Amino acid sequence: DAKTTQPNSMESNEEEPVHLPCNHSTISGTDYIHWYRQLPSQGPEYVIHGLTSNVNNRMASLAIAEDRKSSTLILHRATLRDAAVYYCILRTTGNQFYFGTGTSLTVIP
Amino acid sequence: DAGVTQSPTHLIKTRGQQVTLRCSPKSGHDTVSWYQQALGQGPQFIFQYYEEEERQRGNFPDRFSGHQFPNYSSELNVNALLLGDSALYLCASTGGGRNYNEQFFGPGTRLTVL
Repeated sequence: DAKTTQPNSMESNEEEPVHLPCNHSTISGTDYIHWYRQLPSQGPEYVIHGLTSNVNNRMASLAIAEDRKSSTLILHRATLRDAAVYYCILRTTGNQFYFGTGTSLTVIP
Repeated sequence: DAGVTQSPTHLIKTRGQQVTLRCSPKSGHDTVSWYQQALGQGPQFIFQYYEEEERQRGNFPDRFSGHQFPNYSSELNVNALLLGDSALYLCASTGGGRNYNEQFFGPGTRLTVL
């Protein structure tokens, strides 16, 4: 069973913010929420992670719902290089990473 | 720093054969995880190696086995190949003791089973 669900695809105009949603209703109290992205013909690349509080780094922000059953990855200004498949992932206490099916982000110039 | 490297890049096998894929982790990393990514799907966790032992395993049959060497490099072996084993196999490494926050992935090995 999938631990995370995401929309199959989303579009954004260049230089506009993008909000990528993820549902993880079966998350346990100790699971971390990770986001990775995968460009064509490459392995996934780390974007951001968090447990309970919202997180910011140079790439993106992560907003986590108070009940932790959903989260949103925020790209503040989408560029053409941000076009990729974005995966929402749960990391368990056993350090297993459960990937969802991902959201394919298209950035329109 | 070369990052995570995998070999070979592509591989074609026939049903019933055996295959070995190889991974060298990022410098300083001691933990290696393997994933299977079918076309159009997200990566699925196969197993993880630390200190030359399999520490975690996903929902994959015993046909999938692995090994980690003293230099932290790793191999993934798949026996009795099935058509459904065709996929991109990704290796990821983490390190710094027990820092699992950021995995570094290699470019993968594309396995085609005919």
